[in-house]
Amino acid sequence: DAGITQSPRHKVTETGTPVTLRCHQTENHRYMYWYRQDPGHGLRLIHYSYGVKDTDKGEVSDGYSVSRSKTEDFLLTLESATSSQTSVYFCAIRLGDTQYFGPGTRLTVL
Amino acid sequence: QKEVEQDPGPLSVPEGAIVSLNCTYSNSAFQYFMWYRQYSRKGPELLMYTYSSGNKEDGRFTAQVDKSSKYISLFIRDSQPSDSATYLCAMSGLRQGGSEKLVFGKGTKLTVNP
Repeated sequence: DAGITQSPRHKVTETGTPVTLRCHQTENHRYMYWYRQDPGHGLRLIHYSYGVKDTDKGEVSDGYSVSRSKTEDFLLTLESATSSQTSVYFCAIRLGDTQYFGPGTRLTVL
Repeated sequence: QKEVEQDPGPLSVPEGAIVSLNCTYSNSAFQYFMWYRQYSRKGPELLMYTYSSGNKEDGRFTAQVDKSSKYISLFIRDSQPSDSATYLCAMSGLRQGGSEKLVFGKGTKLTVNP
């Protein structure tokens, strides 16, 4: 699992509330990614980071922000959750030319 | 045209069958090709990785890349019920500043019946 943990693993929240998901890695990888996975859409990149305080947008970044204040943690924040953000969220790290994924966070926005 | 196309299936085969999973792509800049296996309610797990064209074999799994046709395949020999999962293809191009991003197919759901 490339030393990746995600927390929480499951969360149910209400529309309009802020939500922060955490990705933690123990092997000092430089590149980290946040994806969401939805039926019919597959995996889509939300944001990624290429170092501490260095982040950039992916293809579905609207409504999401990220922060990386230390190498091991990459946080994904939904400032005001909407039902369309109900999804499974995966964090990944880059190793060589490939990526390795965490176990995922299942988020439900009611 | 989507960058990566993958038949979502579902695909159902008997145990012991040879399984062929495929993706087509449109971006000729893709150089790195991967197959991930994802069990239900788990994260994608890297199964095979190939650079450029050619074949790669690992146990019962063989990955093939045909860049001239923009077509990649994953073959599973002697399929087992434990191979039941969703298989995702992924690919990327030449590195641009190091922040390479993967483009994924939508996945093919495979069931191997005992």
